Amino acid sequence: SQTIHQWPATLVQPVGSPLSLECTVEGTSNPNLYWYRQAAGRGLQLLFYSVGIGQISSEVPQNLSASRPQDRQFILSSKKLLLSDSGFYLCAWSALLTPLHFGNGTRLTVT
Amino acid sequence: AQKITQTQPGMFVQEKEAVTLDCTYDTSDQSYGLFWYKQPSSGEMIFLIYQGSYDEQNATEGRYSLNFQKARKSANLVISASQLGDSAMYFCAMRDKTSYDKVIFGPGTSLSVIP
Repeated sequence: SQTIHQWPATLVQPVGSPLSLECTVEGTSNPNLYWYRQAAGRGLQLLFYSVGIGQISSEVPQNLSASRPQDRQFILSSKKLLLSDSGFYLCAWSALLTPLHFGNGTRLTVT
Repeated sequence: AQKITQTQPGMFVQEKEAVTLDCTYDTSDQSYGLFWYKQPSSGEMIFLIYQGSYDEQNATEGRYSLNFQKARKSANLVISASQLGDSAMYFCAMRDKTSYDKVIFGPGTSLSVIP
């Protein structure tokens, strides 16, 4: 069966520090991978999605970036965090036309 | 462009009663899929139900059913016999043929089940 791992679960980082969130999927190959951000009490904002290694589509221009160095690995990064980057970050995967399967999320607080 | 609208920020329902959560969508494609997810306070996203645009029958999964009205572009979630554990945020989501790889979500509806 397929599983998705996302870490860390919580993170507190100062403004201006770098960020690296990692997501890996097991039990499937060539998945579509997604990063979403959710502000407190709000909906999910699509940040990036990827249909293959090295293929990244960015939905919202900001100081975040994403990379997919391996088929089942998706990384969200920032060189310098802003206060507005605080939120709940969710990684998800899907096969073509199937529902998204989410990781447990990372709660990021930028201080 | 894709768009999902959920006009009910918050809803209350008595335990054991049925409740309908509204979702309208906008797409120019004829081929698309609609999803509903539940997010409890723990934050996990739980897939509930899926409806394809070409499905002739409304989707059902246990106590969940989807009232799909294609001409009106609505895909309302019906929860029957509400339970206290149904209290959560509910999100409607869509992917269409033009952007099969992109899934967008509505703003969500907060459901509270009253004992």
